[in-house]
Amino acid sequence: DGGITQSPKYLFRKEGQNVTLSCEQNLNHDAMYWYRQDPGQGLRLIYYSQIVNDFQKGDIAEGYSVSREKKESFPLTVTSAQKNPTAFYLCASSIPGATVGNEQFFGPGTRLTVL
Amino acid sequence: QKEVEQNSGPLSVPEGAIASLNCTYSDRVSQSFFWYRQYSGKSPELIMSIYSNGDKEDGRFTAQLNKASQYVSLLIRDSQPSDSATYLCAVNRKSNYQLIWGAGTKLIIKP
Repeated sequence: DGGITQSPKYLFRKEGQNVTLSCEQNLNHDAMYWYRQDPGQGLRLIYYSQIVNDFQKGDIAEGYSVSREKKESFPLTVTSAQKNPTAFYLCASSIPGATVGNEQFFGPGTRLTVL
Repeated sequence: QKEVEQNSGPLSVPEGAIASLNCTYSDRVSQSFFWYRQYSGKSPELIMSIYSNGDKEDGRFTAQLNKASQYVSLLIRDSQPSDSATYLCAVNRKSNYQLIWGAGTKLIIKP
């Protein structure tokens, strides 16, 4: 089955700790995205990558880092510099610039809580 | 002004009625418009995309786009309790193909 997987489903972080969220896709999509969702708010873009070994900051990149060494994988690290990391993190993928637009498909999400 | 605006709701609709969800956007050159459904605690699921003015129907769902007035709407016919969810509107930012998201409208279908 093609799809996007995220792990873990729930993650608890202590103050000052870095944590890494995993995102893997087997849809053969070139583009991948990380969003953050807070209660009652829309999705906010953290980072995105249109191609392997390249990525760009989104609207709220401070305190986060990513890598894109393989087409299938786009891990997100939440660093200790991110002061308010408690949120629902969503990974998505798409075929960039396709004639059908930019339909994005989501993984199940990781809920991060700071203790 | 937010780039994509939706009424947060909740919008309460009786079972079997038509639910109407609206979204306005600010970027006149946007070309792609999407409706996602998000159940509580779950990730968004794409239910409709629309690119041209007019209506697009898919089963019980109809998306309507009016670029001149900069709004896009979603109609759900014969509403079912399983349609109760938050509906997110997303619009592409033409400059870099990013999607800009509304905060969502919570829809409640009452049996």
